[in-house]
Amino acid sequence: QKEVEQDPGPLSVPEGAIVSLNCTYSNSAFQYFMWYRQYSRKGPELLMYTYSSGNKEDGRFTAQVDKSSKYISLFIRDSQPSDSATYLCAFLRSNDYKLSFGAGTTVTVRA
Amino acid sequence: DGGITQSPKYLFRKEGQNVTLSCEQNLNHDAMYWYRQDPGQGLRLIYYSQIVNDFQKGDIAEGYSVSREKKESFPLTVTSAQKNPTAFYLCASSSWTGDETQYFGPGTRLLVL
Repeated sequence: QKEVEQDPGPLSVPEGAIVSLNCTYSNSAFQYFMWYRQYSRKGPELLMYTYSSGNKEDGRFTAQVDKSSKYISLFIRDSQPSDSATYLCAFLRSNDYKLSFGAGTTVTVRA
Repeated sequence: DGGITQSPKYLFRKEGQNVTLSCEQNLNHDAMYWYRQDPGQGLRLIYYSQIVNDFQKGDIAEGYSVSREKKESFPLTVTSAQKNPTAFYLCASSSWTGDETQYFGPGTRLLVL
């Protein structure tokens, strides 16, 4: 079993739709939960991070963590063409502070 | 302007050649990292360094080498022993003050001639 599993996509949605992205994990040492956004041929940029179960909102983005079920989600409301990118979930291990990444989900928002 | 810079943006390697990728940060971060990204795969850790003059192997260190002589610089050498070097290479840095989030540079794409 892989340490991190991310819904592979790709996803194509019309402008204004809600985008839902999901990752599951198996390592109980994961302490911080992050989402990165990566535009084509660019470095990933940190979108959101949290360390507790529950929801965290930032504008149109909501990060959801369920530690008991070991999954995290990212929701994008009122999606825009500029949201078209690959989204990577990432997990920070508490024992050695290394990051483990999902493979990424590519999202296209159609105008 | 604080951030991480990587150069060059594109790099071509011939068979049997060693090439060095540059990574510089002015964020005053203690830790620096090198990742490799292949299509359809997550980022994989090559090497990381938590302090100057010290570094550790990541998950895929074979065929790579690094140095950390200055806090702001962490160059990566792709040696001829790395048989499949074509990939997108990403450098990252983080602080150790309770905010362990990693910030990434723009990446270097390495291609083999």
